[in-house]
Amino acid sequence: QSVLTQPPSVSGAPGQRVTISCTGSSSNIGADSDVHWYQHLPGTAPKLLIYGDNNRPSGVPDRFSGSKSGTSASLAITGLQAEDEADYYCQSYDSSLNVFWVFGGGTKLTVL
Amino acid sequence: EVQLLESGGGLVQPGESLRLSCVASGYTFNRHGMTWVRQAPGKGLEWVSTISDTGSTFYADSVKGRFTISRDNSKNTLYLQMDSLRAGDTAEYHCAKGRGGFSDGYFDLWGRGTLVTVSS
Repeated sequence: QSVLTQPPSVSGAPGQRVTISCTGSSSNIGADSDVHWYQHLPGTAPKLLIYGDNNRPSGVPDRFSGSKSGTSASLAITGLQAEDEADYYCQSYDSSLNVFWVFGGGTKLTVL
Repeated sequence: EVQLLESGGGLVQPGESLRLSCVASGYTFNRHGMTWVRQAPGKGLEWVSTISDTGSTFYADSVKGRFTISRDNSKNTLYLQMDSLRAGDTAEYHCAKGRGGFSDGYFDLWGRGTLVTVSS
């Protein structure tokens, strides 16, 4: 059971917009800890997509955006492309457990 | 090229040990904290251990007392010594370069991983 909760799967057609939620608690996202997002294709290196809630590293398309409110955060992907099909993970810091950095369970994005 | 390359994974029996290595290139290794993250088969990412740029170490409860993280800045290399391995430690182990501190910490460069299988 992950500290941060994500839907197991989402899907969308090419060109559409999808969002992936990440729900935490008052000891992580609700404590104003930053939320970060990663894209991962099994067998490859995970890639940083969003850091500090809503910042994109150089090279990440502006089709990817992040937001945070209360104890939840979201990743939005617009103009879906086939290459976006991957697993997506949120990550934050938890102050209540001796775990420090925590990940969501991951969301599999399928491009129909 | 900026990259991280892990090695040292393999098949071991329960109770045995293994040492993972992660060689960094393309950036100033000693200026950044380093972390190990694992992914068990069919599961999500799990933080395992972190070592700061100054050598402070942090462990997940699931590995505390069994795993030891260390770094050799002269070799741009991160290590994870894994003792008393259990079946539940079976996973792909990724090393990652850290940015930020505690509440704003994240990982901006990852390796492809090395597979550890613990089975009799």
